[in-house]
Amino acid sequence: AQSVTQPDIHITVSEGASLELRCNYSYGATPYLFWYVQSPGQGLQLLLKYFSGDTLVQGIKGFEAEFKRSQSSFNLRKPSVHWSDAAEYFCAVVQPNDYKLSFGAGTTVTVRA
Amino acid sequence: SAVISQKPSRDICQRGTSLTIQCQVDSQVTMMFWYRQQPGQSLTLIATANQGSEATYESGFVIDKFPISRPNLTFSTLTVSNMSPEDSSIYLCSVADGHTGELFFGEGSRLTVL
Repeated sequence: AQSVTQPDIHITVSEGASLELRCNYSYGATPYLFWYVQSPGQGLQLLLKYFSGDTLVQGIKGFEAEFKRSQSSFNLRKPSVHWSDAAEYFCAVVQPNDYKLSFGAGTTVTVRA
Repeated sequence: SAVISQKPSRDICQRGTSLTIQCQVDSQVTMMFWYRQQPGQSLTLIATANQGSEATYESGFVIDKFPISRPNLTFSTLTVSNMSPEDSSIYLCSVADGHTGELFFGEGSRLTVL
């Protein structure tokens, strides 16, 4: 069965500093990979996705993620965080053409001034 | 991208009652799903809402507890039956864009059971 691991439960970062959130997956084949953000009291917003091709993908709000097949990882990065980036971030995977997402446990990001 | 509206956005219910959550999409979609997010937890897939047939439930979820309707390609309902405090969660509707492979979520329905 596929699984998603987000090793970091909580990350605190200073405003303007860089951010990296880790995501590892366990799956026999390369799944489709997603990062979602959930702000307090809000629904889920898609930040970016990887299906195939260029392993460095750009998303909204200045986020990017890099797919590394050898490490089964899909880490999310942002060069300079803003206070509005404080939220819960979820990595998710799905078998191609299945559409049933498996989510990681989530990483809470706190941004300090 | 699909725009998904859920009703109610939040509700407080008494133990033993049932609540129906509605999900309306602004375009026709083939695949629609219901997820649950328990407090402080990640999201778990409850079921796939199939248009014109019975929903497909994931392990740990049963139709008697979470009956689902899907009368057409833009609408679905999830009922949480005979609620207990353990059912206090955010319930989210999701749809898949078959062309792009993207999955979109509604704002969620936050349910508190007393």
